[in-house]
Formats: sequence, C-alpha cells, structure tokens
Amino acid sequence: AQKITQTQPGMFVQEKEAVTLDCTYDTSDPSYGLFWYKQPSSGEMIFLIYQGSYDQQNATEGRYSLNFQKARKSANLVISASQLGDSAMYFCAMREVYNFNKFYFGSGTKLNVKP
Amino acid sequence: DGGITQSPKYLFRKEGQNVTLSCEQNLNHDAMYWYRQDPGQGLRLIYYSQIVNDFQKGDIAEGYSVSREKKESFPLTVTSAQKNPTAFYLCASSRGQGSNQPQHFGDGTRLSIL
Repeated sequence: AQKITQTQPGMFVQEKEAVTLDCTYDTSDPSYGLFWYKQPSSGEMIFLIYQGSYDQQNATEGRYSLNFQKARKSANLVISASQLGDSAMYFCAMREVYNFNKFYFGSGTKLNVKP
Repeated sequence: DGGITQSPKYLFRKEGQNVTLSCEQNLNHDAMYWYRQDPGQGLRLIYYSQIVNDFQKGDIAEGYSVSREKKESFPLTVTSAQKNPTAFYLCASSRGQGSNQPQHFGDGTRLSIL
C-alpha cells in the first residue's frame, strides 16, 4: 500500500484565491511527522510546513496551513491568497518514529496560479 | 549560512563511464540521502546513511554506489551498470532521529547521457 497518496496530479487556482492540496497517508506507528515541500521549476525542494501526529492544533506558517484530520489520515495543505510565485510542484511526505530512517513522499501535485 | 551543496549542477555521461555527484552539508546532520527524480515524477530513494561509514540501499540502488567517509560528505557514483541514468538527482540531510525533523535538500544535479 502507498504510504502517501496525492490524488491531484494538477490543479489551477486564480491569483489571490485559496487552494487546498490533498494528501492522505497510511501508517500504524503511534507517532509520525507530516511535511509539505514546494519544488519550483528550478528543481530545489523547499520545506514549507510540519505537522506532528500528536499536535492538537493545525500547523500554520504564513500563508500555508495544514488541515490535519487524524482519524481520516489526511494532511491537506491550504495556501491562502495564492500568488503567481506559488506555481510549482508540491509534495507531501511522512516520517515515522519507528522507521525514522526513511521519508515517504507522494507523487506530487502541480499547482498553476492563473493571473 | 548552513546548507547543502551539490555539484555539479549539470553533468554529462558518456557510455560506459562512471560519474560521481558531490553532496556536502554543513548543518551537522547525521543522516544523508540520495534521491532520483524523473520528469514529472516524485522522488525515489537511492541510498541513505545514518552515520559515518554506514549506509543502506534504498528502493532503486542498482547501478549506484555511495560512500560516507566524513559526516559532511555523501558522494553518489552513477556506474556504467545504470543503463538509464538521465534524471535529476537530489541530495538531502536531516537530524538522525525523531519523526519531527524535516529533510533539507540541495539544489540538485541534472545528469544526461551524451
């Protein structure tokens, strides 16, 4: 089974609107971390936001927030007030406490922000 | 500034040739990783290392080799046995333990066949 599933290969959003990128995960570990990365066309991977499995509140970092629903095993990224510079690939990733050697990445979502 | 440096940015390989991609970090991270990314695809793990002089195969290790002689350095060799090496290669590092530690990435190396 896939550890991380991103079901939206591509998405469009109008500039200044909010957009949600979906991510579901699969783990039986009691503790784990969820991460989102941005990859612009230049290729570098930029760490955006982190959510711990025991965190009571959803993580926020500026215009990025994580909609964490533990019972549903989902960790969706919400980008508010989209900007043209947000156009990129976005990857969801997970690290488990008992298997901390590995990071599991989803297949990514390509976001296009329209002017 | 601390970070991860990958070199070269672009690399061309001839048939039958081994090439080595460099990865250096000054973040004092214990763990280092190599990923391969094909166009429009996600990341696939090649090798990873948790401590000096120790490393483990990832999901697609065939045709690749690594070494970890220093904490700061984790070079990747793409051998002639790797028949389809054209891809984007990303090096990453993280603190060794703890599920709350993210990976930090270098800017990548694009490898092409001549």
